[in-house]
Amino acid sequence: GAVVSQHPSWVICKSGTSVKIECRSLDFQATTMFWYRQFPKQSLMLMATSNEGSKATYEQGVEKDKFLINHASLTLSTLTVTSAHPEDSSFYICSASGQRYGYTFGSGTRLTVV
Amino acid sequence: GESVGLHLPTLSVQEGDNSIINCAYSNSASDYFIWYKQESGKGPQFIIDIRSNMDKRQGQRVTVLLNKTVKHLSLQIAATQPGDSAVYFCAENPGYSSASKIIFGSGTRLSIRP
Repeated sequence: GAVVSQHPSWVICKSGTSVKIECRSLDFQATTMFWYRQFPKQSLMLMATSNEGSKATYEQGVEKDKFLINHASLTLSTLTVTSAHPEDSSFYICSASGQRYGYTFGSGTRLTVV
Repeated sequence: GESVGLHLPTLSVQEGDNSIINCAYSNSASDYFIWYKQESGKGPQFIIDIRSNMDKRQGQRVTVLLNKTVKHLSLQIAATQPGDSAVYFCAENPGYSSASKIIFGSGTRLSIRP
């Protein structure tokens, strides 16, 4: 079956620094990847959709200069949270979609900004 | 904006009983629906899906019912087990293409009484 690996599973960073989260499709080519953010006891909120080789499409209210998304290959997408602040602390989850597979989710990254 | 689902309720079920989790969706043009299970600190796990040309689909111990007239979706879990404890989300895909984003509902927490 389809497997999506997300790394790191958790990270603590200082306010003002940047953090990069990786999302890899291990056994299929992901033409599209999605990034979600989830606050405690809330649902997943879509941040952006990225297609391989194209610029990401951001949802309304998501700052594209703060959340940098790169999808340079069919198996890797990265999300960089720039100049992180405590309010950016959240659970970030990626999802990958390919021709043969629907939506497969990573295991998530717990970001804590101190 | 678009939304699927209502506020996050909690459903408490006796072990061995059947569970029914409900979801309302708002986009009448949506043609594909998915149920996910999310355990604490993990990414969503696919349970079952259904397309709009169907009104019922069965899996192992799970059944999804779709009522397009009232834009309602339900997930039935037979013989609920302790391992079924989790938050359950319905999600909708407004388009047939896997490149279409999926929108999550607010979720329902299922707890099992011994």
